[in-house]
Amino acid sequence: DAKTTQPNSMESNEEEPVHLPCNHSTISGTDYIHWYRQLPSQGPEYVIHGLTSNVNNRMASLAIAEDRKSSTLILHRATLRDAAVYYCILRSFQGAQKLVFGQGTRLTINP
Amino acid sequence: KAGVTQTPRYLIKTRGQQVTLSCSPISGHRSVSWYQQTPGQGLQFLFEYFSETQRNKGNFPGRFSGRQFSNSRSEMNVSTLELGDSALYLCASFALGNLDEQFFGPGTRLTVL
Repeated sequence: DAKTTQPNSMESNEEEPVHLPCNHSTISGTDYIHWYRQLPSQGPEYVIHGLTSNVNNRMASLAIAEDRKSSTLILHRATLRDAAVYYCILRSFQGAQKLVFGQGTRLTINP
Repeated sequence: KAGVTQTPRYLIKTRGQQVTLSCSPISGHRSVSWYQQTPGQGLQFLFEYFSETQRNKGNFPGRFSGRQFSNSRSEMNVSTLELGDSALYLCASFALGNLDEQFFGPGTRLTVL
């Protein structure tokens, strides 16, 4: 399984944008980049995913580098409810049923 | 639409016992995956079932097993419990496509004494 590297922790202030980086230098052409997050005392939840182009949804934006070796999850205006562990996961069509979680980034939001 | 439900939410067992955990997927979802989460190892994939067949299996000993019923509900069983099996066990379901969003339940917190 291709691996991802994320900072262990990040901190930001409420109502400010947050940029969560992820390195995936061994990504293959068929790997999609998925982000999940796990709020305290809950199971993980899907945030966003993309292949090559930048993606936006109601929760966040995903910016993917041109060479696809890195990506950034962007929370445009962080709230206290965004405090969670964020996981960057690579998924290819074959074997995609299995999510391979790394250690993720623990995001702290200051009021 | 109801989410993924897991029962029980909390469980305390002693070493050597066995345990069965249950997961009901979102209505219409035919695939169920199980994960173990511990502070030391993080989230690790256990196995995945689709239409009552195990399609994928993680790197866990044979004491960990599972099954899926015709209504897509799934159970996982751990026999001869060890202290290291104490963990949060999470179940996830998704619809059909391999890259579909997976929906996780709240988990079952198992403590082995």
